[in-house]
Amino acid sequence: DAGVTQSPTHLIKTRGQQVTLRCSPKSGHDTVSWYQQALGQGPQFIFQYYEEEERQRGNFPDRFSGHQFPNYSSELNVNALLLGDSALYLCASSPTRTLGSSPLHFGNGTRLTVT
Amino acid sequence: AQSVTQLGSHVSVSEGALVLLRCNYSSSVPPYLFWYVQYPNQGLQLLLKYTSAATLVKGINGFEAEFKKSETSFHLTKPSAHMSDAAEYFCAVTSSGGTSYGKLTFGQGTILTVHP
Repeated sequence: DAGVTQSPTHLIKTRGQQVTLRCSPKSGHDTVSWYQQALGQGPQFIFQYYEEEERQRGNFPDRFSGHQFPNYSSELNVNALLLGDSALYLCASSPTRTLGSSPLHFGNGTRLTVT
Repeated sequence: AQSVTQLGSHVSVSEGALVLLRCNYSSSVPPYLFWYVQYPNQGLQLLLKYTSAATLVKGINGFEAEFKKSETSFHLTKPSAHMSDAAEYFCAVTSSGGTSYGKLTFGQGTILTVHP
């Protein structure tokens, strides 16, 4: 049973560029959440998707957007990259019916470096 | 609103010694609490969770945590540290309802070092 898979594992971009990160949830999970983990910090909630809609959003600017597909996979897009966007981006999945009480399952993340 | 404070960004113990990692939380509704472990260049792995059942929760790899509502704490312990326990540990809270439902708020993390 495959867990949460993320691609790519590493990415280097230049300031001002745009990036797309991808996530496939664990089998049987239909809610996908994205977190940003800056170096030396705990993960920060970006947003959450289920039923192909953004359901909750953290304190991130509109440059951060996402999408969920009918097969529950998800994309995170970041426009107009800033140096401060350099971080590990984690995708997590869970079953919607037990959201909250079920632990999130995390992927290994995408390491984004902005130069 | 919810928040987590992990006391001590670095904890160092000897192999075989007690491990104690401290976590205090704030939540306006009954919380669900979690401890995750992160090894270098990896994602987060669940150690244990509290979801309003037994207050003493046992997890993987010999770890356990006790939910103390009066102290708003959820400290993580392990009786005897092993070298393989060296990693970064995160305490996280979500709520059983309200606007933070299903959204995890993490502490800053505690790096555990285990000396031979």
